[in-house]
Amino acid sequence: RKEVEQDPGPFNVPEGATVAFNCTYSNSASQSFFWYRQDCRKEPKLLMSVYSSGNEDGRFTAQLNRASQYISLLIRDSKLSDSATYLCVVTHTDMRFGAGTRLTVKP
Amino acid sequence: EAGVVQSPRYKIIEKKQPVAFWCNPISGHNTLYWYLQNLGQGPELLIRYENEEAVDDSQLPKDRFSAERLKGVDSTLKIQPAELGDSAVYLCASSLDGYEQYFGPGTRLTVT
Repeated sequence: RKEVEQDPGPFNVPEGATVAFNCTYSNSASQSFFWYRQDCRKEPKLLMSVYSSGNEDGRFTAQLNRASQYISLLIRDSKLSDSATYLCVVTHTDMRFGAGTRLTVKP
Repeated sequence: EAGVVQSPRYKIIEKKQPVAFWCNPISGHNTLYWYLQNLGQGPELLIRYENEEAVDDSQLPKDRFSAERLKGVDSTLKIQPAELGDSAVYLCASSLDGYEQYFGPGTRLTVT
């Protein structure tokens, strides 16, 4: 079993749609959680950290469920520019990346 | 502020040849990481430096891969000899606090 698992997608949604991604992790001692965004042939960039109480940044909402060992990312009112691969990242002694979920937002 | 700089951006070599990648982290970032990313996969950590000390190199294939970070700033990752399976993107990242990482553009290696 991989340490960090994500549904690879692709998720194809129309503009304005709400889309949610989940990510599960295997190490219950994991301490920090992040979502990174990676555009095609570009480097990953931090989208947002994920806090135990959940957090929101504009159209993006991240939540953590430690009991079930998963984190989620919700994108509301999808824009064309949201098209990218979203990487789930879990940190214990080092960062472990999921394989990413690919999102395509269409007009 | 300048970001993480990597060179070269692209490299094509024949198998069994050596290759080296260079990384200059963001100024003041003590932690430096080298990752390997295959197509359709997330980055996989190869080695992590705290200043000039390699604190996690458990995933580095030491028979052919080596890395150094002299003076705790720039870093070089070397492969000798390269194999076909080494074709991937090699990403360097740096961090100030050990949490948020800033990635460089990567070096896309093709081994023929």
